[in-house]
Amino acid sequence: AQTVTQSQPEMSVQEAETVTLSCTYDTSESNYYLFWYKQPPSRQMILVIRQEAYKQQNATENRFSVNFQKAAKSFSLKISDSQLGDTAMYFCAFMKPPNNNAGNMLTFGGGTRLMVKP
Amino acid sequence: NAGVTQTPKFQVLKTGQSMTLQCAQDMNHEYMSWYRQDPGMGLRLIHYSVGAGITDQGEVPNGYNVSRSTTEDFPLRLLSAAPSQTSVYFCASSTRDEQYFGPGTRLTVT
Repeated sequence: AQTVTQSQPEMSVQEAETVTLSCTYDTSESNYYLFWYKQPPSRQMILVIRQEAYKQQNATENRFSVNFQKAAKSFSLKISDSQLGDTAMYFCAFMKPPNNNAGNMLTFGGGTRLMVKP
Repeated sequence: NAGVTQTPKFQVLKTGQSMTLQCAQDMNHEYMSWYRQDPGMGLRLIHYSVGAGITDQGEVPNGYNVSRSTTEDFPLRLLSAAPSQTSVYFCASSTRDEQYFGPGTRLTVT
């Protein structure tokens, strides 16, 4: 079974600064996907960024980028130029590639609450 | 294209009552899942389906039933509600490499 650990329950950052959220995971799989989801107070789960384990290049989406260290089983999220709208819970999640019997379910970490201060 | 829809958005039940949380998707995805989110925690898998007529248990299946008679619909049934089932419930449908979440149902059992 896979486990995902987020060791920072809460973090804060000043507007326009950069912040990094940590995530580690444990798996025996060699191919998998990793995700960061944002959950604002509306509780909607919003996909921020995705990384495929077989790709060495770190994923980037505008102000969001990851540092994927496969050997260390680490997957951190960097938010640059933080904005007030980035205030939310952030969840790291792991997914095995699907197969016909087992689907493709997500295993989530416990989350990091990020507060962006003006 | 509505994506994943869930009804109701909020529900209050008394202990022992039963109810069905509805989930529908219009993206023709084969995979669908139900998760629950307890305060301060990540989502945990309740049940999942890999296609019409095929369902299986996830991490926390006790007290819940599912069925998948069509590709579009994946209802979650609470057989006899307990206070421990107070939670926010998310339905998701997915392609091979991405999951799409519904807006969630907040359920309170008193």
